[in-house]
Formats: sequence, structure tokens, C-alpha cells
Amino acid sequence: AQKVTQAQTEISVVEKEDVTLDCVYETRDTTYYLFWYKQPPSGELVFLIRRNSFDEQNEISGRYSWNFQKSTSSFNFTITASQVVDSAVYFCALRTNDMRFGAGTRLTVKP
Amino acid sequence: KAGVTQTPRYLIKTRGQQVTLSCSPISGHRSVSWYQQTPGQGLQFLFEYFSETQRNKGNFPGRFSGRQFSNSRSEMNVSTLELGDSALYLCASSLDARGGIGELFFGEGSRLTVL
Repeated sequence: AQKVTQAQTEISVVEKEDVTLDCVYETRDTTYYLFWYKQPPSGELVFLIRRNSFDEQNEISGRYSWNFQKSTSSFNFTITASQVVDSAVYFCALRTNDMRFGAGTRLTVKP
Repeated sequence: KAGVTQTPRYLIKTRGQQVTLSCSPISGHRSVSWYQQTPGQGLQFLFEYFSETQRNKGNFPGRFSGRQFSNSRSEMNVSTLELGDSALYLCASSLDARGGIGELFFGEGSRLTVL
């Protein structure tokens, strides 16, 4: 069975703090894709990153970085020096035959 | 480049009615998928279409159906509406042709309220 767990329901930080959003997935497939999406208050999901199961290389994009570890089935997302505009709900997702989303983590960055 | 367009954005229906939601993908995208988002169940996959063929279907009752037209536009229909169908319905399009592994571009959604 495919499953994505985002154990952190809500996180609140003060601007400029670093924050890590956790994502743990379950699948028996050897080929799969992992995603992170951001959902601001407007409701539209915004793509952040995609990773396939054969590429465990970590990635950094500006203040964002992702840590993919197959050994622990985790795909964690870190925001460095958070900003108020980072406030949103963040979803981790797993793609095999279909797309499974985690429950989401609501991040609030206070000024 | 126009994004994914969903219509209507908001609608109110009563129990027992049926509803049709429309999604126009980004030009050139042939894959369209639908998702239901509720506070209780989160984001759940409904179905996915590619070149007018349903490629995958989520675990929803037969009251939920969809189709895709030759121009890649898609519609989903919910018949005999129930209160629990109140949700934000999101459509996403993708360029890829191989199993929907590409980046999904989402519309702003259609918010359905069932009274």
C-alpha cells in the first residue's frame, strides 16, 4: 500500500528561523516519484520539487533544500531563514500508479 | 502561458442534485487528474485521464465520474450529491506521457458546497 505521512500538523516559527518539514512514505514499488507542493491561502498548489526513486541526491534551491533518504523512506524539506511569505500548507506526495498526498503541514512564519 | 482553468470556482447544490465541473489544462498538456480536498480526508486522488482514456481511478464511489475530450479538456461529474461531497475539487495537468510522473500544474479549484 502507498502511504505518505506528515506527522507535523502545524509548525509555527519566527521569521529567520530554519524549519524542517518531515515526510515519510511507504511503497513496495521500486520506481516511484516524490514531490513537495505548497498551498498558499489562495488554494492553488504550487510545485516545489520532484525526485525519482533512483536519485537520492539532495537538492538546494535558494532557501529551500530537500533531503531524500531511501534507507529511512524519508523526504524532508528544510526552509532556511524563513520568511512570512513562506506561510502556507506544504504537502508531500508519492507517485506510483496514482498520486498520494500526505495530510499536509501548516507552516506559520511570524514576523 | 495560461494556467489550468477550472470552472465554476464556487457553487452551491442541494443533496440529491448532480454537478459537473470543468477543467481546461495548460495548452499542450494531455494528462489531466482530479483531486478532492476536504479538511477531514485531505487531498485524495479521484482519477486521471490521458488522451481521452482514464488511466487511473481512486477509491471513490461510482457517483464520481469523469471524461476527457479530444482537446484535453476534462469534466468530472458527481451524481446524487451528499453532504460529504462538499469539498474543494482540484484539477491538475501534466505534460508527460509516461505514467503521470511529471510536474503537476494545479488549477485554483472548484469549491462545492452541498446543503
